[in-house]
Amino acid sequence: AQTVTQSQPEMSVQEAETVTLSCTYDTSENNYYLFWYKQPPSRQMILVIRQEAYKQQNATENRFSVNFQKAAKSFSLKISDSQLGDTAMYFCAFMNGRAQGGSEKLVFGKGTKLTVNP
Amino acid sequence: DAGITQSPRHKVTETGTPVTLRCHQTENHRYMYWYRQDPGHGLRLIHYSYGVKDTDKGEVSDGYSVSRSKTEDFLLTLESATSSQTSVYFCASSDREEQYFGPGTRLTVT
Repeated sequence: AQTVTQSQPEMSVQEAETVTLSCTYDTSENNYYLFWYKQPPSRQMILVIRQEAYKQQNATENRFSVNFQKAAKSFSLKISDSQLGDTAMYFCAFMNGRAQGGSEKLVFGKGTKLTVNP
Repeated sequence: DAGITQSPRHKVTETGTPVTLRCHQTENHRYMYWYRQDPGHGLRLIHYSYGVKDTDKGEVSDGYSVSRSKTEDFLLTLESATSSQTSVYFCASSDREEQYFGPGTRLTVT
C-alpha cells in the first residue's frame, strides 16, 4: 500500500519570504501522480499543484513550485513571496496512474500547518 | 471549480441513530469519493464509486455504507452512529486525475 509522509506538522514563515514543505512517499508503481492541496480556515480543499511521475520537469504554478525527486520518492512544495493568504494546512497526496485514464484513489499525508506572519 | 455541494453542512446527532450525508455534483463526473478528516490523520478514504450503482470500500469503511443511484448523487450512511464517527466528512468527484472537493460536513455524535 502506498504511504505519504509529511514530517513537518507545523511551519511558519515571514511574509514575502520563501518556505519549503516536505513530502515523501512510498510506492512500487512507476506511473502515478502527486498533488499538493491547500486547506485554509474555511475548510475548503483547494488543489495547488500536480505532478505527473513520468514528467521530469518540475511543475510550477505562479508562486508555487515543486521539487520532484523520483528516485528519492520526494515531492516538496516551495512557496515564494509568501502571503498572509497562504496561511493554511497543506496536504501532500499520491494517486496511482491508470493506463486507460480514469481516476484512482488519493492517499493523503497528515498535513503541515503553515502560518505566514506579517 | 466543479459544482459539488454537501448537505447538511453541520449535524449533531445521538449515538445509535442513523445518519445520511448527501453529496451532489453537477459536473457529470464518473467517480465520486467520501473521505473523513480527523486531527493527526489527514483525509482518509471511506468509500468510492466508479459509476452508478458501482461502489467499493476504502481504507476506513467499517460502520459506513454508500449508495449511488444517479451520476450526480452519492450518499453516505452511518447505520448506527458512534462517537468515533465524529469527524469532518468530505465528498469529492473526478473525471480523471484531479479530484474536486465539496465544502465538507461537520458531524458530531454525542
